Amino acid sequence: QQQVKQSPQSLIVQKGGISIINCAYENTAFDYFPWYQQFPGKGPALLIAIRPDVSEKKEGRFTISFNKSAKQFSLHIMDSQPGDSATYFCAARRRDKIIFGKGTRLHILP
Amino acid sequence: DAGITQSPRHKVTETGTPVTLRCHQTENHRYMYWYRQDPGHGLRLIHYSYGVKDTDKGEVSDGYSVSRSKTEDFLLTLESATSSQTSVYFCAISESGVSGNTIYFGEGSWLTVV
Repeated sequence: QQQVKQSPQSLIVQKGGISIINCAYENTAFDYFPWYQQFPGKGPALLIAIRPDVSEKKEGRFTISFNKSAKQFSLHIMDSQPGDSATYFCAARRRDKIIFGKGTRLHILP
Repeated sequence: DAGITQSPRHKVTETGTPVTLRCHQTENHRYMYWYRQDPGHGLRLIHYSYGVKDTDKGEVSDGYSVSRSKTEDFLLTLESATSSQTSVYFCAISESGVSGNTIYFGEGSWLTVV
């Protein structure tokens, strides 16, 4: 049973455009929703995170939008840059475990 | 970078042999995790530890065992490696469980079982 569903699997965006990655979850016990960024050959690193009592969180060019009623959340990358090319994982926390989505490979065209 | 060291970073082993991966932290964090990453599957939790000698299973624990005899070390053992265990293994640490700070990942260990 996949508890966190992420889409799309891959995404190509022009430089300067907006990258949008979506995630949906099923378990209402999740209480923390982080996004991780991973570059080839490296471990995932926390990018931005949100709690379910907040509908939006913005850090620089990165924004999480959260829809509690729909059990969906998304990552928006504004003014996408070639350096943003990486794999992005959404995740959801329940107790002491974090469950990850399957990842989105993002490529920003120069 | 969080003080996490994984060893070995790369290993090729034969089917049926035992393999141990080591995760060493210098942060004195209570929680430690082992994940595996495979194409199309994302990161899946194998086992985690919430203290010395305290461990619990994750979502893909079959074929794996762990041990934590010291706060700083968390070992992952494949008792008899199979080709399906070819993967990238990531260790992660957290100060107060995921209810507090987030988790930090190591650089990964690439394991190939032939």
